[in-house]
Amino acid sequence: GDSVTQMEGPVTLSEEAFLTINCTYTATGYPSLFWYVQYPGEGLQLLLKATKADDKGSNKGFEATYRKETTSFHLEKGSVQVSDSAVYFCALTNTDKLIFGTGTRLQVFP
Amino acid sequence: NAGVTQTPKFQVLKTGQSMTLQCAQDMNHNSMYWYRQDPGMGLRLIYYSASEGTTDKGEVPNGYNVSRLNKREFSLRLESAAPSQTSVYFCASSELFVGQPQHFGDGTRLSIL
Repeated sequence: GDSVTQMEGPVTLSEEAFLTINCTYTATGYPSLFWYVQYPGEGLQLLLKATKADDKGSNKGFEATYRKETTSFHLEKGSVQVSDSAVYFCALTNTDKLIFGTGTRLQVFP
Repeated sequence: NAGVTQTPKFQVLKTGQSMTLQCAQDMNHNSMYWYRQDPGMGLRLIYYSASEGTTDKGEVPNGYNVSRLNKREFSLRLESAAPSQTSVYFCASSELFVGQPQHFGDGTRLSIL
């Protein structure tokens, strides 16, 4: 079945460092891909999305490109802030249902 | 702008007790979902309702029941709570069932002793 694999966390960075969180997927057909962010004590919020190959989703300085040839959707940000500390979930939806990765915790220190 | 509202936010139950988690959305979305979130396991789908009047099992439905009361409301019931159901429960909604992002509530933290 369809699945999403994310890098294990936590990812610990200093403020203004470059961020990459890896995400790869297994799916038939042409899924839509998403990144969600969960701040402490809150629900998940949609961060960005891409619906077809080579699409780049972007929001709040975060970017991810839908790479069908490598089945990947890695999340990147050029300069992280302390306020970016959260858990990040990669997800896909195909013919039905949203399938999540296990999440990657990001900790950013001043 | 409320979005998806879940009640209660916290609850402690004893084994064998029953309770209903409430969820309401004000975005006129057709589809609604219940997930549980456990450490190291991400989110797992319990039940979903693709449209008003329909409900279906997700990945982990055992021990739960749901009711799509109307287009706005989707409740989750634990008939006889067990310690294994200690978790954080999230309700979500989406405009359509296929290929759409979901909007989440802030969760219900449930502890079963």
